[in-house]
Amino acid sequence: QQQVKQSPQSLIVQKGGISIINCAYENTAFDYFPWYQQFPGKGPALLIAIRPDVSEKKEGRFTISFNKSAKQFSLHIMDSQPGDSATYFCAASMRGFKTIFGAGTRLFVKA
Amino acid sequence: NAGVTQTPKFQVLKTGQSMTLQCAQDMNHNSMYWYRQDPGMGLRLIYYSASEGTTDKGEVPNGYNVSRLNKREFSLRLESAAPSQTSVYFCASRSGEGDTQYFGPGTRLTVL
Repeated sequence: QQQVKQSPQSLIVQKGGISIINCAYENTAFDYFPWYQQFPGKGPALLIAIRPDVSEKKEGRFTISFNKSAKQFSLHIMDSQPGDSATYFCAASMRGFKTIFGAGTRLFVKA
Repeated sequence: NAGVTQTPKFQVLKTGQSMTLQCAQDMNHNSMYWYRQDPGMGLRLIYYSASEGTTDKGEVPNGYNVSRLNKREFSLRLESAAPSQTSVYFCASRSGEGDTQYFGPGTRLTVL
């Protein structure tokens, strides 16, 4: 199974709150799990990524939590800011092979 | 470095017309990709080129052709455009060593 399922489709969070986006995959051969951020009118850009040998990776206010046994991973945005309002895509890939993207989550952070 | 560039930014076609979307990268990357983005469907791979001289079909190749002209350039051609091909098209590139894909700014295509 090559799908990556992402939820929710859209998310509204108050400024200063925590935004959480979840993804699930089936193929245990995936070995790289990136999150991309896309602003309106722009192409996606890598935000943060994790490999399955660690359970968590943190970069500033952004954290990926990874549960290998459940085949799930999530993005947490702490202290969410209006500037974080964007579409977020989770993805999964095997080294040197195609990347499969989730359907995307539109995040809106209310000031 | 300009990164990944795409032309045109916007295009309107009539059903049956043909056109070529251009993509170029200046990062000396081996792999290049074409995606389409539709609401609620994420990014779907149309074609990719793992290295100069090779191309392979992705998830949704029907109605499209590609050419890897050289290491820098990867073009996408619509031979006979259909309304179902109305979408935003993104080109991306990836180095041989890393996993990160670098995306261009996109081409918004409308087929009437």
